[in-house]
Amino acid sequence: DAKTTQPNSMESNEEEPVHLPCNHSTISGTDYIHWYRQLPSQGPEYVIHGLTSNVNNRMASLAIAEDRKSSTLILHRATLRDAAVYYCILQNYGGSQGNLIFGKGTKLSVKP
Amino acid sequence: DSGVTQTPKHLITATGQRVTLRCSPRSGDLSVYWYQQSLDQGLQFLIQYYNGEERAKGNILERFSAQQFPDLHSELNLSSLELGDSALYFCASSSGTGLEGIYEQYFGPGTRLTVT
Repeated sequence: DAKTTQPNSMESNEEEPVHLPCNHSTISGTDYIHWYRQLPSQGPEYVIHGLTSNVNNRMASLAIAEDRKSSTLILHRATLRDAAVYYCILQNYGGSQGNLIFGKGTKLSVKP
Repeated sequence: DSGVTQTPKHLITATGQRVTLRCSPRSGDLSVYWYQQSLDQGLQFLIQYYNGEERAKGNILERFSAQQFPDLHSELNLSSLELGDSALYFCASSSGTGLEGIYEQYFGPGTRLTVT
């Protein structure tokens, strides 16, 4: 499976935008980019996913580089509730397995 | 609330014992996944079932087994427990078969297992 690289930690101020980067230089044409987050003492939570085009949903936006070797999860206005570990994961369409392979993720701290 | 339920929430047991963790997927989801989260190993995939059949295996020990029943709920059985099995165990469900790469997984709140 293609690997992803994320910063170990990031800090943000409440009500400011947050850009969480992810590098995936060995991504294949059939890999989807998924983001999950895990709030303290909870199970992982789906955030967003995309293939080539930028995506928006009620939680966040996903900006995908033109060469697809990197992507950025954008939280438009961080709240204290957004403090979590964010995981960037590649999922292959038509791959042999559908399980998620979690790395260490980025621990986001949000300051009031 | 993800719609995935797991019981029990907490489990404390002794080494050598056997426990069963239960998971009910979201309504309509046919795929169930089990993951283990420990401090040193992070989140690791154990096993996946799709509509009652085993679909994929990850780092699951031989002492562990799982099954998915006709009503789609799943159970993870852990036997001959060791101290190192202490971890959070998460169940997730998905509407896809698991091969499409495009269906999100919905996670339950987890079962915290403590082996003493």
